[in-house]
Amino acid sequence: DIQMTQSPSSLSASVGDRVTITCRAGQTINRYLNWYQHKPGKAPKLLIYAASSLQSGVPSTFSGSGSGTDFTLTISSLQPEDFATYYCQQTYSTPFTFGQGTKLEIK
Amino acid sequence: QVQLVQSGAEVKKPGASVKVSCKASGYTFTGYYMHWVRQAPGQGLEWMGRINPNSGGTDYAQKFQGRVTVTTDTSISTTYMELNRLTSDDTAVYYCARGVYGDFGTYFDYWGQGTLVTVSS
Repeated sequence: DIQMTQSPSSLSASVGDRVTITCRAGQTINRYLNWYQHKPGKAPKLLIYAASSLQSGVPSTFSGSGSGTDFTLTISSLQPEDFATYYCQQTYSTPFTFGQGTKLEIK
Repeated sequence: QVQLVQSGAEVKKPGASVKVSCKASGYTFTGYYMHWVRQAPGQGLEWMGRINPNSGGTDYAQKFQGRVTVTTDTSISTTYMELNRLTSDDTAVYYCARGVYGDFGTYFDYWGQGTLVTVSS
C-alpha cells in the first residue's frame, strides 16, 4: 500500500491568512493526487484533482501543486467556511489511500 | 443534478452483517465506478473498495477482502456494500462516492451523505 503522510496534523490560522498543507507519498505517484475538504457531519468535498486541477465550483483561493512524491495544498486567503479537515488521496494504485488529515482551526 | 442517497443508520451486534445502499440519480449509472469509503470515530478516511456498475467487476482493499461485498442493481441505479463479521472496530460512517476517471487517476466528485453503522453488544 502507498502511505500518504500529511503535515502538519493540525494548524491554527486566522481569517485572511495564507495556509499551506503538504502531503508526501511513500513512492512516486506522478500526479495521481487529490485533495478533499471534510467538515463534521458532512460528506467530503473534492477540491483539487490530478494534483493541481481545481474542481468546478471550488473558489480560486484553493490551489494545488506537486508531482512525484511531494504535493501541497494552498489556501491563499482563509475564509470562515474554510475551517475543516483536509485530506490528500492517491489514486495511483489500489488501495486508494488517504493521508491522515490536517485539521485547520481558527486561531 | 447528481445525487447519491444512502440508507439510514444501522445498529448491529458483533458478528452480524450490515448492508448499506446508495441510490444514484442525475447521471448514467453505468458510466462511473462507485467507491466506498469509511471514517471511524476520530479517525481519517479509509478506502474500502469499488465496483464497475457496467461489468460488475470489483476491487477491494486487502484489509476487507473476504469480509466485504459490493454489488449493484443497475435497474434501480443502486449500489450496495455488505460487511460481514462485524466488530466494534467497524463502527464508522460509511460513504459511497462516484469515481471519475481522468488523465491522472480517479477522483471522487460526488459523495453520499454517509451512513452511520454502530456495532455494539
